[in-house]
Amino acid sequence: EVQLLESGGGLVQPGGSLRLSCVASGFTFSNYAMSWVRQAPGKGLEWVSGIGGSGSSTYHADSVKGRFTISRDNSKNTLYLEMNSLRVEDTAIYYCAKGDQWLVRSDFDYWGQGTLVTVSS
Amino acid sequence: QLVLTQSPSASASLGASVKLTCTLSSGHSNYAIAWHQQQPEKGPRYLMKVNGDGSHRKGDGIPDRFSGSSSGAERYLTISSLQSEDEADYYCQTWGTAMGVFGGGTKLTVL
Repeated sequence: EVQLLESGGGLVQPGGSLRLSCVASGFTFSNYAMSWVRQAPGKGLEWVSGIGGSGSSTYHADSVKGRFTISRDNSKNTLYLEMNSLRVEDTAIYYCAKGDQWLVRSDFDYWGQGTLVTVSS
Repeated sequence: QLVLTQSPSASASLGASVKLTCTLSSGHSNYAIAWHQQQPEKGPRYLMKVNGDGSHRKGDGIPDRFSGSSSGAERYLTISSLQSEDEADYYCQTWGTAMGVFGGGTKLTVL
C-alpha cells in the first residue's frame, strides 16, 4: 500500500524558513517522480515543485522560484521542500504527491494528507 | 499560456449523472489531463488520466461510475449513479513545459 506522510509544518514569521519532509512507503521510491502541491485556506490546488526519480531534474513554480528548493534522499525514501524567505501568501496546506513514472512531468497518482504551514507575525 | 478552465460549481441529484468539464487554453487542445477528487477536509485523490483521443486510465480502486472522455479542447469527467460521497471538489491538472497546472476546481453538490 502506497503511503505518503508529510511533516515539518508549523507557524513561522514572515521572512523565516521551514523544511518539509515526506516519507514514502509501499513502492520503489527512486523509480518515481515526486511533487509538492499546496492549497491556501479556502482556495484551489497550486503546484509548487517537482523532482525526477534520480533527483537530477527539478522544476519550481514562478511564485516560489529562488525561495523554495525541492530535493530527495532515495536512501531514506524521503522528499523534502526547503522553504526560505517565507511570505504570508505561502500559508497553505502542503501535500506531497507521487508521480506515476520517473519523469517529473507525470501524473500524480497518490497523495499524502498534507502538513499546514502558517506564515504570520 | 497554458490555462485549464473549470466551472466553479455543479449540482445533480442523488442517483443521477453529472458531466464536469475542463477546457484547455488555445494551442493546447491535444494535451492529456488528470482528474483529482478532494472530499471535504481530506487530501486529494487521483481519479484518472484523460487523453486527447478520449481514452482514459483510472487510478487504483476508482469505481466504474467514474469515466472520462474528450472533445476538442474539452476534457470531461462523468459520474453516474451519484452518491452522497461524490460531493467534493474536482480538479483537472496537466503539465506545461516545466510546470504543473491545475484548473480552478469545480465544487459538486449532490442534491
